[in-house]
Amino acid sequence: TQLLEQSPQFLSIQEGENLTVYCNSSSVFSSLQWYRQEPGEGPVLLVTVVTGGEVKKLKRLTFQFGDARKDSSLHITAAQPGDTGLYLCAGVNDGGGSRLTFGEGTQLTVNP
Amino acid sequence: DSGVTQTPKHLITATGQRVTLRCSPRSGDLSVYWYQQSLDQGLQFLIQYYNGEERAKGNILERFSAQQFPDLHSELNLSSLELGDSALYFCASSVGGWGRSPLHFGNGTRLTVT
Repeated sequence: TQLLEQSPQFLSIQEGENLTVYCNSSSVFSSLQWYRQEPGEGPVLLVTVVTGGEVKKLKRLTFQFGDARKDSSLHITAAQPGDTGLYLCAGVNDGGGSRLTFGEGTQLTVNP
Repeated sequence: DSGVTQTPKHLITATGQRVTLRCSPRSGDLSVYWYQQSLDQGLQFLIQYYNGEERAKGNILERFSAQQFPDLHSELNLSSLELGDSALYFCASSVGGWGRSPLHFGNGTRLTVT
């Protein structure tokens, strides 16, 4: 059973379009992180959210942590080919020994 | 560059063999984590060490073992290899434990078992 469900699993869009990916769980997380992974490389941290309802912006990327700290979303505005990659959410669940659990990721392809 | 170094980058070996993967954490980081990434199971946590001591265990098989040395580098040993062990193995490091401390990942070792 996957603790963190990410959707969609795959997303292929044209340059300039907007998109949202989701990270959902039935568990409460004390914090949630978003990573991006490119082929041949390890995941790279984009952001950490810790407060329910928190919104963080990173240029064209907007991250939101749900009020109940069970879900999160990543919105990308005017996507560019350089945004292509695997987006992973990862949560720290205190009930799971405070370990960081990853979702399976959303593979985003932005076509020029 | 994350500052985390993993060697080797690629490893091809036969079933039944034993291999050792090596990780040098980012300077100053005390925690080292090992993750396995495969196409059908995503990024799975294997084990964590903090300052030389095992801190947490995930879905690590009994055929696998790890250790963290006094200089904080870590090794992951995989023995009696099976075809299903073929995957990307990532090492990550952080200053402290999980939570708000971000993980810095190496570029992984791609293991192919034939």
